[in-house]
Amino acid sequence: EDKVVQSPLSLVVHEGDTVTLNCSYEVTNFRSLLWYKQEKKAPTFLFMLTSSGIEKKSGRLSSILDKKELFSILNITATQTGDSAVYLCAVEARTNAGKSTFGDGTTLTVKP
Amino acid sequence: DVKVTQSSRYLVKRTGEKVFLECVQDMDHENMFWYRQDPGLGLRLIYFSYDVKMKEKGDIPEGYSVSREKKERFSLILESASTNQTSMYLCASKVFGGLNGGYTFGSGTRLTVV
Repeated sequence: EDKVVQSPLSLVVHEGDTVTLNCSYEVTNFRSLLWYKQEKKAPTFLFMLTSSGIEKKSGRLSSILDKKELFSILNITATQTGDSAVYLCAVEARTNAGKSTFGDGTTLTVKP
Repeated sequence: DVKVTQSSRYLVKRTGEKVFLECVQDMDHENMFWYRQDPGLGLRLIYFSYDVKMKEKGDIPEGYSVSREKKERFSLILESASTNQTSMYLCASKVFGGLNGGYTFGSGTRLTVV
């Protein structure tokens, strides 16, 4: 059974801080790892990672994958209150028609 | 942009009712999914479909069924609603093939069964 574990479960920081969110996984026949951001409504897609060591970057957010150690990190630099959200990590296996298994998420709160 | 539309934002139904949750996507995606999201349990896959009339069970299919008669529409059916099906239901779609980005989610339907 595929499994995704995220840590920490929740995190409170102040604006301007840098945060690192962790995601470890177990999956048979790995295809990709994905990060999503969920505010009050539905999750929105952030990154898809398929290869080890290649950083994906979008503004202040970046992510990297380690396929040997089976984990990924999501970094957010110079955090803003608008970064407050639940960050979800998911893994997709090759054989599952694109279905993903999600972790429980990390709740990030950024205080002014 | 791909749009995934769920027909209802909030629903309140009585125990034993048959409930239909509708989801429509406008970008010709082959794959569609139904998840439910509960505090402390994350997103759990109920059913998914990779083509018209094709469906597969996810991790928690009991008490649910689905219908995909047209490519753009994927319906989730609660045959006889129970209070433990009170949840946020999220529909998602994805283009065929694994390297084209993640899901596009609908806005969700918060279902309360009383």
